[in-house]
Amino acid sequence: GEDVEQSLFLSVREGDSSVINCTYTDSSSTYLYWYKQEPGAGLQLLTYIFSNMDMKQDQRLTVLLNKKDKHLSLRIADTQTGDSAIYFCAESIYSGGGADGLTFGKGTHLIIQP
Amino acid sequence: DGGITQSPKYLFRKEGQNVTLSCEQNLNHDAMYWYRQDPGQGLRLIYYSQIVNDFQKGDIAEGYSVSREKKESFPLTVTSAQKNPTAFYLCASSGRRQETQYFGPGTRLLVL
Repeated sequence: GEDVEQSLFLSVREGDSSVINCTYTDSSSTYLYWYKQEPGAGLQLLTYIFSNMDMKQDQRLTVLLNKKDKHLSLRIADTQTGDSAIYFCAESIYSGGGADGLTFGKGTHLIIQP
Repeated sequence: DGGITQSPKYLFRKEGQNVTLSCEQNLNHDAMYWYRQDPGQGLRLIYYSQIVNDFQKGDIAEGYSVSREKKESFPLTVTSAQKNPTAFYLCASSGRRQETQYFGPGTRLLVL
């Protein structure tokens, strides 16, 4: 079955790097995603990685994928107060002609200390 | 201004009442999705539709119904059979290659 696991909280100091980790179980995952959710809002797509890639970098964000261990991480460099949010890891499974929806972790609350 | 809109932002349901949540997109996306989010939980898939006039049940479809008569619209009805409807409901859509899903702002449903 599909299962995505994340730790619930991460606290970092402003200016430090944040690393949010995720493990998934379905080896047929095609894409893996990181979404950001601010209070009372919808989900904002931050970045995604195709399952045959190891790393993807986009400005302050770096995604690392270890397929052998089924481990995905999101590194945010120079963490700012505006990065305070819940971060969701998600995987997509494809069948037939399209995506059957995403399977989400429970989200990691990123708390920024001044 | 392209995007996904959901209305209303807040919705109140009385006992035994059916309510309908609206989701509209002008991104010309083929696929649309409904998710439910409970406090401290990730999102769970209710229904999805990969093409007009076709839709599939997700993981928690019981007590919900959908229709997909137009490409840009995917309304969700929360029926009286859904015994615990209080949640934040999120609609999403994705394009032809379906490698990314974009989300609307959500509707919060509360029971009176």
